[in-house]
Amino acid sequence: DSGVTQTPKHLITATGQRVTLRCSPRSGDLSVYWYQQSLDQGLQFLIQYYNGEERAKGNILERFSAQQFPDLHSELNLSSLELGDSALYFCASSYADGPNEKLFFGSGTQLSVL
Amino acid sequence: GIQVEQSPPDLILQEGANSTLRCNFSDSVNNLQWFHQNPWGQLINLFYIPSGTKQNGRLSATTVATERYSLLYISSSQTTDSGVYFCAVERSGAGANSKLTFGKGITLSVRP
Repeated sequence: DSGVTQTPKHLITATGQRVTLRCSPRSGDLSVYWYQQSLDQGLQFLIQYYNGEERAKGNILERFSAQQFPDLHSELNLSSLELGDSALYFCASSYADGPNEKLFFGSGTQLSVL
Repeated sequence: GIQVEQSPPDLILQEGANSTLRCNFSDSVNNLQWFHQNPWGQLINLFYIPSGTKQNGRLSATTVATERYSLLYISSSQTTDSGVYFCAVERSGAGANSKLTFGKGITLSVRP
């Protein structure tokens, strides 16, 4: 158990809908990262927050947004969902925000858009 | 961006055998990590190893940063070692928007 908690584990929804994925980092970790894993794109970095502030953006679509709350949990919001958004979404956390941070991943949320 | 190539793409071993998994990267890195994704999808951090050698039980890893490659060694493999092994790197001096870039992974199947 990495200590990173993601809910829900599975999510099935329809095209055009909006969903929210939730992540609680390891106790004491200030950074939260979101990654998307799909068969064609592999594991791709989406966005990072550190202590409530956005720190880095990767390949995140404009339809997607995230935030980190004062208690350090994070939510990833996916809207106007398309079939191609079906993927495994991972949250990871680390203590700080530096190049030498070891990342710990949650068990992921499997999103299926039908 | 930085390119990460892992080889071989697939590996089938008999239980008890040893194996070497390779990760080549195209630029200088200040962060390199190896992960194991088990058959249930969980990503487990095996090593943080931007340079040098580390060992953890039957697993060890070596990164030769000057030659831009890293190796993951699995000795006396067990069926529980099955899954996908990812190498992930972060390019040195890449700026704030650069985080860990993952390779495509190596699928390992250990047969009893």
